[in-house]
Amino acid sequence: KNEVEQSPQNLTAQEGEFITINCSYSVGISALHWLQQHPGGGIVSLFMLSSGKKKHGRLIATINIQEKHSSLHITASHPRDSAVYICAVRSGNQFYFGTGTSLTVIP
Amino acid sequence: DVKVTQSSRYLVKRTGEKVFLECVQDMDHENMFWYRQDPGLGLRLIYFSYDVKMKEKGDIPEGYSVSREKKERFSLILESASTNQTSMYLCASSFLTGGYGYTFGSGTRLTVV
Repeated sequence: KNEVEQSPQNLTAQEGEFITINCSYSVGISALHWLQQHPGGGIVSLFMLSSGKKKHGRLIATINIQEKHSSLHITASHPRDSAVYICAVRSGNQFYFGTGTSLTVIP
Repeated sequence: DVKVTQSSRYLVKRTGEKVFLECVQDMDHENMFWYRQDPGLGLRLIYFSYDVKMKEKGDIPEGYSVSREKKERFSLILESASTNQTSMYLCASSFLTGGYGYTFGSGTRLTVV
C-alpha cells in the first residue's frame, strides 16, 4: 500500500477549465508539498502546507489534517499548466511521494 | 537565485562501469536527497543525508552508495552500473528543521547500455 495516493492519474482539460487534483495520505505528517514537474524533468516546489489553505496566482492548495487529504486547484487553466503534479509528505525524517497526476491542458 | 545543480543532464554508461552523479546546493541546507524516477513508480528515495558524513538508506539503496564530505555536495555512486539502473535521477535539498520546502535539481537522465 502506498502511503500517498493521488487521483486522477491522468487528466485532460480544455483551456479555461477549473482543475482539481487530490492527494490522500495514511501517515502522520509535519508538512505536505505539491510539486510540479515539466517535460524534461525539472521539478518546482509549488506549495508547502501544514494546515489550511495557500494561494499563489491561479493555484490554490488546501489541506484537511483530520481527513488526511489535500487538494490542488488550478483556476482558468492554461496549456502552460500541462505538467505532472506530485504530492509529497514529510513524516518525521521520512518522505513519501505520490506517483503523480499528468495534466494536459488543450487550447 | 537559490540552486541545486546536478553535474550532468544526460549520461550514457556501459554495464559494469562505476558512475558518479554529483549534486551541489548553495543554500546551506542540511538535508540532501537522491531519488530516481521511473514511469508508473513515481519518485523513490535512494539515500538521504542530514549532515556531513551522515547518510541514511531510503527505499531502494541496493546497488548504490553515497558520499557527503562537504555540506554543499552529495554524490551518488553506482559501483557497477546495470541496465536496470537506467532512470532519471533527481537530487534535492532542504533545511533540517523549519522551512521544510524542497529544492530540486534539474535531473540526470542516465542510460546504461
